[in-house]
Amino acid sequence: NAGVTQTPKFRILKIGQSMTLQCTQDMNHNYMYWYRQDPGMGLKLIYYSVGAGITDKGEVPNGYNVSRSTTEDFPLRLELAAPSQTSVYFCASSYPGQGLETQYFGPGTRLLVL
Amino acid sequence: GQQVMQIPQYQHVQEGEDFTTYCNSSTTLSNIQWYKQRPGGHPVFLIQLVKSGEVKKQKRLTFQFGEAKKNSSLHITATQTTDVGTYFCAGGDSSYKLIFGSGTRLLVRP
Repeated sequence: NAGVTQTPKFRILKIGQSMTLQCTQDMNHNYMYWYRQDPGMGLKLIYYSVGAGITDKGEVPNGYNVSRSTTEDFPLRLELAAPSQTSVYFCASSYPGQGLETQYFGPGTRLLVL
Repeated sequence: GQQVMQIPQYQHVQEGEDFTTYCNSSTTLSNIQWYKQRPGGHPVFLIQLVKSGEVKKQKRLTFQFGEAKKNSSLHITATQTTDVGTYFCAGGDSSYKLIFGSGTRLLVRP
């Protein structure tokens, strides 16, 4: 199993540009999450999904959109990039059940908005 | 909303010294998880605590969950250079979302 994969690893955007961060997991996990991590800070939940076709907002959803058409994929869309969106973005997945909700993280996408 | 506070923000220790990080939630948690993030890496799951007063050990790491299920701690005995990284606690509620603390960055002098 590859686990959780994210592309691209690094991207530079100009203000106002759009992009999609890709996330794929091959563990057949129902739950998927998008976090952002600013330098020296913890992780903030952007959006999450409990299954295909179902998404919900986290703590910091403004400026982002998501979709979940399949169990495996959970892309994150930035429509109008702003410098405040410069961050490292982590995708994670989990399989709730049996009392253990471990989240498995991808390697992250580093985004710089200039 | 729910908040999870973690202290200290940084800890710089001599190799062989002990290390402790503390986590406090503004609300009662259903579970608490601990993750480790190496510099430049991604968070990696260490452990989950579910029961009130629970204590779990992994080699030199000891994890505790408070009686009121609002606080937790991670203690590392005799730190090694391989322990370097940022340790995050994450509080879980019944919705399977996690609220992460801000992390404690551990630096170990060889």
